[in-house]
Amino acid sequence: GDQVEQSPSALSLHEGTGSALRCNFTTTMRAVQWFRKNSRGSLINLFYLASGTKENGRLKSAFDSKERYSTLHIRDAQLEDSGTYFCAAVTGGYKVVFGSGTRLLVSP
Amino acid sequence: ETAVFQTPNYHVTQVGNEVSFNCKQTLGHDTMYWYKQDSKKLLKIMFSYNNKQLIVNETVPRRFSPQSSDKAHLNLRIKSVEPEDSAVYLCASSPGQNTEVFFGKGTRLTVV
Repeated sequence: GDQVEQSPSALSLHEGTGSALRCNFTTTMRAVQWFRKNSRGSLINLFYLASGTKENGRLKSAFDSKERYSTLHIRDAQLEDSGTYFCAAVTGGYKVVFGSGTRLLVSP
Repeated sequence: ETAVFQTPNYHVTQVGNEVSFNCKQTLGHDTMYWYKQDSKKLLKIMFSYNNKQLIVNETVPRRFSPQSSDKAHLNLRIKSVEPEDSAVYLCASSPGQNTEVFFGKGTRLTVV
Protein backbone atom coordinates (compact mmCIF):
# COMPACT_ATOMS: atom_id res chain seq x y z
CA GLY A 1 0.00 0.00 0.00
CA ASP A 2 0.90 3.65 0.01
CA GLN A 3 3.67 4.47 2.39
CA VAL A 4 5.16 7.62 3.76
CA GLU A 5 8.57 7.50 5.41
CA GLN A 6 9.26 10.51 7.60
CA SER A 7 12.61 11.41 9.09
CA PRO A 8 14.06 12.08 11.52
CA SER A 9 11.78 10.67 14.18
CA ALA A 10 13.16 13.13 16.70
CA LEU A 11 15.14 16.34 16.41
CA SER A 12 16.73 18.65 18.96
CA LEU A 13 17.62 22.21 18.02
CA HIS A 14 19.02 25.16 19.89
CA GLU A 15 17.23 28.43 19.50
CA GLY A 16 18.31 30.27 16.38
CA THR A 17 19.43 27.19 14.48
CA GLY A 18 17.66 25.33 11.73
CA SER A 19 17.20 21.97 10.14
CA ALA A 20 15.07 20.03 7.68
CA LEU A 21 12.49 17.29 7.94
CA ARG A 22 11.91 14.95 5.05
CA CYS A 23 9.21 12.62 3.80
CA ASN A 24 9.80 10.03 1.12
CA PHE A 25 6.90 8.45 -0.71
CA THR A 26 6.77 4.97 -2.18
CA THR A 27 4.47 6.07 -4.99
CA THR A 28 3.62 9.25 -6.85
CA MET A 29 1.46 11.47 -4.67
CA ARG A 30 -0.92 14.24 -5.77
CA ALA A 31 0.08 16.65 -3.05
CA VAL A 32 1.51 16.88 0.44
CA GLN A 33 0.42 18.56 3.62
CA TRP A 34 2.54 19.46 6.63
CA PHE A 35 1.06 19.78 10.11
CA ARG A 36 2.31 20.66 13.55
CA LYS A 37 0.67 19.14 16.58
CA ASN A 38 0.59 21.76 19.29
CA SER A 39 0.71 21.33 23.05
CA ARG A 40 -3.07 21.04 23.17
CA GLY A 41 -3.03 18.19 20.66
CA SER A 42 -4.49 20.13 17.76
CA LEU A 43 -3.18 19.55 14.24
CA ILE A 44 -2.22 22.92 12.83
CA ASN A 45 -2.06 23.22 9.04
CA LEU A 46 1.33 24.49 7.94
CA PHE A 47 1.44 23.88 4.19
CA TYR A 48 -0.45 22.28 1.35
CA LEU A 49 1.60 21.80 -1.82
CA ALA A 50 0.70 20.21 -5.11
CA SER A 51 4.13 21.16 -6.48
CA GLY A 52 7.06 23.49 -5.96
CA THR A 53 7.83 25.37 -2.80
CA LYS A 54 6.01 27.53 -0.28
CA GLU A 55 7.35 29.72 2.45
CA ASN A 56 5.70 31.09 5.55
CA GLY A 57 7.84 33.00 7.97
CA ARG A 58 10.63 30.77 9.20
CA LEU A 59 9.18 27.68 7.55
CA LYS A 60 9.69 26.59 3.98
CA SER A 61 8.39 23.47 2.29
CA ALA A 62 9.10 21.79 -1.00
CA PHE A 63 7.37 18.98 -2.83
CA ASP A 64 8.67 16.98 -5.78
CA SER A 65 6.08 14.46 -6.91
CA LYS A 66 8.34 12.99 -9.58
CA GLU A 67 11.19 12.36 -7.13
CA ARG A 68 8.67 11.33 -4.47
CA TYR A 69 9.69 13.48 -1.56
CA SER A 70 8.83 16.57 0.40
CA THR A 71 10.83 18.63 2.85
CA LEU A 72 10.08 21.09 5.61
CA HIS A 73 12.85 23.51 6.51
CA ILE A 74 12.85 25.36 9.79
CA ARG A 75 15.20 28.30 10.25
CA ASP A 76 15.93 30.41 13.31
CA ALA A 77 14.07 27.92 15.49
CA GLN A 78 12.17 29.33 18.48
CA LEU A 79 11.00 27.63 21.65
CA GLU A 80 7.39 27.75 20.47
CA ASP A 81 8.31 25.66 17.42
CA SER A 82 8.60 22.61 19.65
CA GLY A 83 6.04 19.95 18.89
CA THR A 84 5.43 17.04 16.61
CA TYR A 85 5.46 17.64 12.88
CA PHE A 86 3.65 15.39 10.44
CA CYS A 87 3.70 15.16 6.71
CA ALA A 88 0.68 13.69 4.99
CA ALA A 89 0.52 12.56 1.40
CA VAL A 90 -2.57 13.19 -0.70
CA THR A 91 -2.91 9.93 -2.59
CA GLY A 92 -5.71 10.84 -4.97
CA GLY A 93 -8.36 8.56 -3.53
CA TYR A 94 -10.08 10.63 -0.84
CA LYS A 95 -7.31 9.53 1.43
CA VAL A 96 -4.42 11.23 3.15
CA VAL A 97 -1.61 9.00 4.40
CA PHE A 98 0.43 10.28 7.31
CA GLY A 99 4.09 9.94 8.12
CA SER A 100 5.07 8.77 11.58
CA GLY A 101 5.94 12.28 12.78
CA THR A 102 9.02 14.15 13.91
CA ARG A 103 9.26 15.26 17.53
CA LEU A 104 11.05 18.59 17.57
CA LEU A 105 12.45 20.02 20.77
CA VAL A 106 13.87 23.52 20.69
CA SER A 107 15.98 24.44 23.68
CA PRO A 108 17.54 27.72 24.83
CA GLU B 1 -9.17 28.72 14.87
CA THR B 2 -10.72 25.33 14.28
CA ALA B 3 -13.81 24.91 12.15
CA VAL B 4 -14.07 21.16 12.66
CA PHE B 5 -15.78 20.52 15.96
CA GLN B 6 -15.68 17.23 17.80
CA THR B 7 -17.52 16.11 20.90
CA PRO B 8 -16.79 14.85 23.42
CA ASN B 9 -13.14 15.73 24.06
CA TYR B 10 -12.68 12.68 26.27
CA HIS B 11 -14.65 9.55 26.98
CA VAL B 12 -13.97 6.69 29.37
CA THR B 13 -16.07 3.57 29.08
CA GLN B 14 -16.07 -0.10 29.88
CA VAL B 15 -15.45 -2.96 27.52
CA GLY B 16 -18.61 -3.93 25.69
CA ASN B 17 -20.32 -0.56 25.87
CA GLU B 18 -21.48 1.48 22.89
CA VAL B 19 -20.09 4.94 22.27
CA SER B 20 -20.83 7.65 19.76
CA PHE B 21 -18.67 10.58 18.74
CA ASN B 22 -19.93 13.64 16.95
CA CYS B 23 -18.25 15.79 14.33
CA LYS B 24 -19.44 18.93 12.61
CA GLN B 25 -17.62 21.12 10.13
CA THR B 26 -18.58 24.71 9.33
CA LEU B 27 -16.32 25.08 6.30
CA GLY B 28 -18.90 24.09 3.70
CA HIS B 29 -16.75 21.13 2.65
CA ASP B 30 -18.08 18.13 0.75
CA THR B 31 -15.70 15.53 2.19
CA MET B 32 -15.30 14.35 5.76
CA TYR B 33 -13.02 11.78 7.37
CA TRP B 34 -12.40 9.82 10.53
CA TYR B 35 -8.82 9.01 11.50
CA LYS B 36 -7.51 6.97 14.42
CA GLN B 37 -4.31 7.85 16.23
CA ASP B 38 -2.98 4.83 18.01
CA SER B 39 -0.65 4.47 21.00
CA LYS B 40 2.36 4.89 18.72
CA LYS B 41 0.92 8.23 17.56
CA LEU B 42 0.40 6.93 14.04
CA LEU B 43 -2.55 8.51 12.24
CA LYS B 44 -4.51 6.10 10.08
CA ILE B 45 -7.59 6.74 8.03
CA MET B 46 -10.74 4.85 8.92
CA PHE B 47 -13.47 6.33 6.70
CA SER B 48 -13.99 8.99 4.06
CA TYR B 49 -17.37 10.39 3.08
CA ASN B 50 -18.13 12.62 0.13
CA ASN B 51 -21.55 14.26 -0.07
CA LYS B 52 -22.84 11.85 2.58
CA GLN B 53 -21.64 8.83 0.60
CA LEU B 54 -19.07 6.39 1.97
CA ILE B 55 -15.99 6.48 -0.26
CA VAL B 56 -13.23 4.87 1.80
CA ASN B 57 -13.52 2.14 4.42
CA GLU B 58 -10.07 1.04 5.50
CA THR B 59 -10.51 -2.48 6.88
CA VAL B 60 -12.09 -1.18 10.04
CA PRO B 61 -13.80 -3.72 12.35
CA ARG B 62 -17.53 -3.95 11.80
CA ARG B 63 -18.27 -2.60 15.26
CA PHE B 64 -17.30 0.81 13.87
CA SER B 65 -20.01 2.55 11.87
CA PRO B 66 -19.93 6.10 10.53
CA GLN B 67 -23.16 8.04 10.25
CA SER B 68 -23.71 11.09 8.07
CA SER B 69 -26.93 13.05 8.22
CA ASP B 70 -25.70 15.80 5.92
CA LYS B 71 -22.46 17.05 4.42
CA ALA B 72 -21.56 18.98 7.56
CA HIS B 73 -21.87 16.09 9.99
CA LEU B 74 -20.09 12.78 10.27
CA ASN B 75 -20.54 10.84 13.49
CA LEU B 76 -18.78 7.66 14.54
CA ARG B 77 -20.46 4.91 16.49
CA ILE B 78 -18.62 2.02 18.09
CA LYS B 79 -20.70 -0.92 19.21
CA SER B 80 -19.26 -3.04 21.97
CA VAL B 81 -15.91 -1.32 22.44
CA GLU B 82 -12.77 -3.35 23.03
CA PRO B 83 -9.54 -2.37 24.83
CA GLU B 84 -7.67 -1.89 21.55
CA ASP B 85 -10.17 0.82 20.61
CA SER B 86 -8.50 3.12 23.13
CA ALA B 87 -7.08 5.89 20.97
CA VAL B 88 -7.61 9.43 19.81
CA TYR B 89 -10.20 9.70 17.04
CA LEU B 90 -9.77 12.65 14.72
CA CYS B 91 -12.42 14.02 12.42
CA ALA B 92 -11.44 16.04 9.38
CA SER B 93 -12.91 17.70 6.34
CA SER B 94 -11.79 18.95 2.94
CA PRO B 95 -13.45 20.68 -0.01
CA GLY B 96 -13.18 17.51 -2.05
CA GLN B 97 -10.72 15.01 -3.41
CA ASN B 98 -7.03 15.98 -3.43
CA THR B 99 -7.57 19.15 -1.46
CA GLU B 100 -6.33 20.52 1.84
CA VAL B 101 -7.62 18.66 4.87
CA PHE B 102 -8.54 20.32 8.15
CA PHE B 103 -8.70 18.42 11.43
CA GLY B 104 -10.68 18.70 14.60
CA LYS B 105 -9.07 18.49 18.03
CA GLY B 106 -9.89 14.84 18.47
CA THR B 107 -11.79 12.66 20.92
CA ARG B 108 -9.70 10.59 23.31
CA LEU B 109 -11.36 7.26 24.05
CA THR B 110 -10.22 5.12 26.97
CA VAL B 111 -11.67 1.65 27.29
CA VAL B 112 -11.26 0.12 30.74
